[in-house]
Amino acid sequence: GIQVEQSPPDLILQEGANSTLRCNFSDSVNNLQWFHQNPWGQLINLFYIPSGTKQNGRLSATTVATERYSLLYISSSQTTDSGVYFCAVGTYNFNKFYFGSGTKLNVKP
Amino acid sequence: NAGVTQTPKFQVLKTGQSMTLQCAQDMNHEYMSWYRQDPGMGLRLIHYSVGAGITDQGEVPNGYNVSRSTTEDFPLRLLSAAPSQTSVYFCASSYVYRGDLADTQYFGPGTRLTVL
Repeated sequence: GIQVEQSPPDLILQEGANSTLRCNFSDSVNNLQWFHQNPWGQLINLFYIPSGTKQNGRLSATTVATERYSLLYISSSQTTDSGVYFCAVGTYNFNKFYFGSGTKLNVKP
Repeated sequence: NAGVTQTPKFQVLKTGQSMTLQCAQDMNHEYMSWYRQDPGMGLRLIHYSVGAGITDQGEVPNGYNVSRSTTEDFPLRLLSAAPSQTSVYFCASSYVYRGDLADTQYFGPGTRLTVL
């Protein structure tokens, strides 16, 4: 299967700070998603972004498929951004998804 | 729309018992899947389905069975529970376009399973 590596594994921010989370993957993909798992365990989809750039409020994401990485940007972080951020990738014709180990974000007030 | 629903929310089993985790979605999604999440780890795919009557194995299928008789429902069966199956189980669904997932996956709230 595809190897998915996320960095950093842990991140502590002061409220208001900006951050960049990275996702590297080992093979060509046709599907890439970013999720936020809140402290109650709920998984919330943030972006479906197999290529290009998208923005949603304070969050934006960029995927460079040819170089096999994706970045998630969080600006002006808030305590409600705390949780674990996962990147997941899928390949052509197989419909199998592989998750990274996540980045655990703690935003302090 | 209720989205993706899972029952039960919590379950405790004894080693060797069997049970079925239920998953249903009301978005008419062709693709449905089951994942398990162990402490401090990402999700790992157990089984998935691209439509009624079609299922396939994911990364960690051993000890689990699935079937898909309707578009809406995708139950996961534990045949003989083992302590190694203690985990949180998530069900997800998504659209399919020309055989590939064409959108993000929508996750249910999860089932926390403990096997003693």
